[in-house]
This record gives sequence, C-alpha cells and structure tokens, in this order.
Amino acid sequence: GAGVSQSPSNKVTEKGKDVELRCDPISGHTALYWYRQSLGQGLEFLIYFQGNSAPDKSGLPSDRFSAERTGGSVSTLTIQRTQQEDSAVYLCASSLVSFNQPQHFGDGTRLSIL
Amino acid sequence: GESVGLHLPTLSVQEGDNSIINCAYSNSASDYFIWYKQESGKGPQFIIDIRSNMDKRQGQRVTVLLNKTVKHLSLQIAATQPGDSAVYFCAEKSSGDKLTFGTGTRLAVRP
Repeated sequence: GAGVSQSPSNKVTEKGKDVELRCDPISGHTALYWYRQSLGQGLEFLIYFQGNSAPDKSGLPSDRFSAERTGGSVSTLTIQRTQQEDSAVYLCASSLVSFNQPQHFGDGTRLSIL
Repeated sequence: GESVGLHLPTLSVQEGDNSIINCAYSNSASDYFIWYKQESGKGPQFIIDIRSNMDKRQGQRVTVLLNKTVKHLSLQIAATQPGDSAVYFCAEKSSGDKLTFGTGTRLAVRP
C-alpha cells in the first residue's frame, strides 16, 4: 500500500531563500509529525499535528520555521530566510492514532543551503 | 532533561550470527518504545514496538526486550543477514505523543 510520500526528495537553494517541503501521510492517519535529521545524527522532533487539535510546535528551532496541515491530510513545512545550519534531511511521519501506535516515515527531503 | 541513548555506536557481526543492539532510556514514565531500521537515503522503517506493560515481544527474526528496573531496551536479530546492515534507532514516547530518538547504532554484517 501507499506509504508516506514527501516531496521534493532533494532541494538545493541559496541562503536567504524560502523553501516549502510537502508531506502526504498515509490515508486515514490522523497524526502527522515532522522531524529533522542532521548528517549522522538521530532525529530531532519539530512539530506534531493530531486531528483538529492545535499543533505541538515545541520543537521548532526558530520563528523562521512553520508548518500547516490542510484538511487533516497534506502538510507543508516552510522555512523562511534559510540559513546554512538548516541543511538536513526533513522527515515526515504519520500514525493511525496518536496513542501508542508506531509512526511510519517517508524517505525525507534532503535540504542543502548554499 | 530526559534522553534515550545507545551503548554501542557500531556493531560488526558475522553473517548468520545473532545481533544484540542495546539502548538505555532515562524517563521512567515512558510507556512505549519502538525500534527503527534506517538504510542509507531512506526514512526510518518500523521494526517492532513494545509497551511498558510487557517485558518481551517477538517478531520475525527480531525480539525486543524491556527491562524497566534498569531502564534498558534491546533488539535481538536472529541469524543476521547482509540485508540487516543499517543504522538502528530506539525511540521512546516522551511527553505528548512525539518520539525521542537515540543517536543510532550502525550494524555491519560481515560475509
């Protein structure tokens, strides 16, 4: 079956530009998560959406980062005025329900800031 | 703050042998743990999970053990194959529903 889909798979942009990363979760999954993974590191939580509840934004590193989820499905992570330290793989995950269910990940967007 | 970590950053095993990957956690209130496998260029792939009311759970060729007394989690892979070569992460469900990940253990399988 279809898994979590992320686009683009790779993005190269100049410092100072804005970028948008897209995530299509597994159909029917009500919870959606964004993580960031720097080279050779573990995953860093960014933001979490569950149904119609207010998102948990506690992991966003600065106000340049924002995310939205439209219609309870597709999500977009936006980074404004990108910096070189934003270079990383951005991973999206979804789960069926939020309570003690495994999160299923997409293959991520590799973001490179020149 | 709370954290999840791994004892061994790299593990090299002979094909056909069993592998054991260890993980320590510090949040005694955690009630859910997951092991993920990540191959190069791919997202983490769910392997197996365990709830805190269990000590052991088995899957296909994999077993997860949870020792709440010493806050230790392990992943056992039976008859390790070349396709098992990857980075393995343990994750802990911390406050709310987000996961806290360890830094990962790289498993290398020798032919």
